[in-house]
Amino acid sequence: DTAVSQTPKYLVTQMGNDKSIKCEQNLGHDTMYWYKQDSKKFLKIMFSYNNKELIINETVPNRFSPKSPDKAHLNLHINSLELGDSAVYFCASSQDLFRGGEETQYFGPGTRLLVL
Amino acid sequence: AQKVTQAQTEISVVEKEDVTLDCVYETRDTTYYLFWYKQPPSGELVFLIRRNSFDEQNEISGRYSWNFQKSTSSFNFTITASQVVDSAVYFCALKGITSYDKVIFGPGTSLSVIP
Repeated sequence: DTAVSQTPKYLVTQMGNDKSIKCEQNLGHDTMYWYKQDSKKFLKIMFSYNNKELIINETVPNRFSPKSPDKAHLNLHINSLELGDSAVYFCASSQDLFRGGEETQYFGPGTRLLVL
Repeated sequence: AQKVTQAQTEISVVEKEDVTLDCVYETRDTTYYLFWYKQPPSGELVFLIRRNSFDEQNEISGRYSWNFQKSTSSFNFTITASQVVDSAVYFCALKGITSYDKVIFGPGTSLSVIP
């Protein structure tokens, strides 16, 4: 009964490849997020979606493209992977912010991406 | 601009000692949210507490307590009688109240509890 799940947990790939990370939440939340945690543990938001609509789009290279097929899923596709993309990527979800929902974000277990 | 500072990069304590993790934030908003998250060695991010800026009551949950001081823009976290399982990186975070506000995380404090 995992609340926010991500697959895969580990991802090792070569530079230049394209990869996807999947995220699913079963909390009934309307808002989902992608965060990047670098090697120094610094956490920064990349994207947020509310009911499948993009709300926050930080300064992220165009190679990163989020896709939300429904409000329970938010996938992250990365094209032409670079060495600097190596990091831990966290998915998170929260209640519908636009309807005054709770602001707390619940995180998935993270996907550890290593680009060689 | 919003900012969260956790001046203590790493702390080591001996088991059963009390330890306080400092968090100082900057914001121009009059209403906002503050959070603490725990990241154990296994890597997941665990939500610990959320505090609204208009509620300055301190909170206690078991061995954990939080001291929110709006006058000094601080939201400190104390672990009483620390245990080895408390070893983790702890993040303080700040968020405005609108839907477009992002959660701003501090750099984290790495706590090691030595048996």
